[in-house]
Amino acid sequence: EPEVTQTPSHQVTQMGQEVILRCVPISNHLYFYWYRQILGQKVEFLVSFYNNEISEKSEIFDDQFSVERPDGSNFTLKIRSTKLEDSAMYFCASSELARVYEQYFGPGTRLTVT
Amino acid sequence: RKEVEQDPGPFNVPEGATVAFNCTYSNSASQSFFWYRQDCRKEPKLLMSVYSSGNEDGRFTAQLNRASQYISLLIRDSKLSDSATYLCTTLGYGQNFVFGPGTRLSVLP
Repeated sequence: EPEVTQTPSHQVTQMGQEVILRCVPISNHLYFYWYRQILGQKVEFLVSFYNNEISEKSEIFDDQFSVERPDGSNFTLKIRSTKLEDSAMYFCASSELARVYEQYFGPGTRLTVT
Repeated sequence: RKEVEQDPGPFNVPEGATVAFNCTYSNSASQSFFWYRQDCRKEPKLLMSVYSSGNEDGRFTAQLNRASQYISLLIRDSKLSDSATYLCTTLGYGQNFVFGPGTRLSVLP
């Protein structure tokens, strides 16, 4: 069964550093998403991406965040200058055109900002 | 009012029991509802989609009550492997998914 993959599984970084989280969505999916989940809290939407541009973004997705699809398979989330409060699990998800609301999640990247 | 609300639980039930969770939502225009399950420190996994009044898949039944703006998930003959957090999600006012905080289920031997 095809699945979304994410790397790395765990990233530790110092406050103020840039991080790039990587995702490989399911190959025939055209919609891509990033969510985050702070430990013990609910899953929060960050951004959706379709046709090489951002479709929607939440209030959390401010100027320090950016997304990119650098090639035909990867989908990345960059945090320019990390803060302590960025520590969370970051999930990538993807969905197909015909069933855009059925999203399949990757295993997540745990980001720890020290 | 929060966009999606759930009873956080935990619900502790014996194996074989029937358990039901409710989820309320505030966006009356929402058409799409989903239940996900999330194991500890893992990703959410799609369990069921609820597009009309309800949906059944084996031991799992999801129902939608538009008048009262809630959806429910019923699990029959619960198994130890059903222990997880169950997340309700629907479209929020921003046309993106809003997840509830989840309901934790523990099925006990």
